[in-house]
Amino acid sequence: GENVEQHPSTLSVQEGDSAVIKCTYSDSASNYFPWYKQELGKRPQLIIDIRSNVGEKKDQRIAVTLNKTAKHFSLHITETQPEDSAVYFCAAAGGGGSYIPTFGRGTSLIVHP
Amino acid sequence: EPEVTQTPSHQVTQMGQEVILRCVPISNHLYFYWYRQILGQKVEFLVSFYNNEISEKSEIFDDQFSVERPDGSNFTLKIRSTKLEDSAMYFCASSGGLPFRNQPQHFGDGTRLSIL
Repeated sequence: GENVEQHPSTLSVQEGDSAVIKCTYSDSASNYFPWYKQELGKRPQLIIDIRSNVGEKKDQRIAVTLNKTAKHFSLHITETQPEDSAVYFCAAAGGGGSYIPTFGRGTSLIVHP
Repeated sequence: EPEVTQTPSHQVTQMGQEVILRCVPISNHLYFYWYRQILGQKVEFLVSFYNNEISEKSEIFDDQFSVERPDGSNFTLKIRSTKLEDSAMYFCASSGGLPFRNQPQHFGDGTRLSIL
């Protein structure tokens, strides 16, 4: 099955800095890559997703890049704010005929004011 | 904006007992899911449900677990003979179609299950 690795496990930045979270996946057939933000004690919320026919997608301060050859994808947050502090999960789906996302272990992002 | 709702928010149960976790998916959604998240760990897929039957399940979803859509709105997860290691946050999710076809999953707030 699919295996998703996510790094780093913890990321601490100053307000206004950029943050980058990286994920790799194992199944080259995976074709859908969502990112979720989970605030403490709350539900995971989809913040951005990308499909394998696109190399980059941007939504205001958030962008995701995908390198299919290397099987890795990254989340970029620019001009970070304290309210960006949360756990971010990457996921991959579509490989092996399964549409169920396999999640990474999560990155705890801490933005210091 | 419509939301997935889950009840109860917290369930405390003695080991060996049965629990039923309840979910009301978004009304026009067709695909339903259960995930669990052990404290501090990643979200793990349990089962997906479509057209009144299980469409996919993980190795975690063994005979101890079952799902049901008893009426047109509720989607339940039953855990029999609960064990200490079943303690986790259980999330229900729904989607209007397959996630990678522009139909993302929407999660509920979760039920925190504590087994004593």
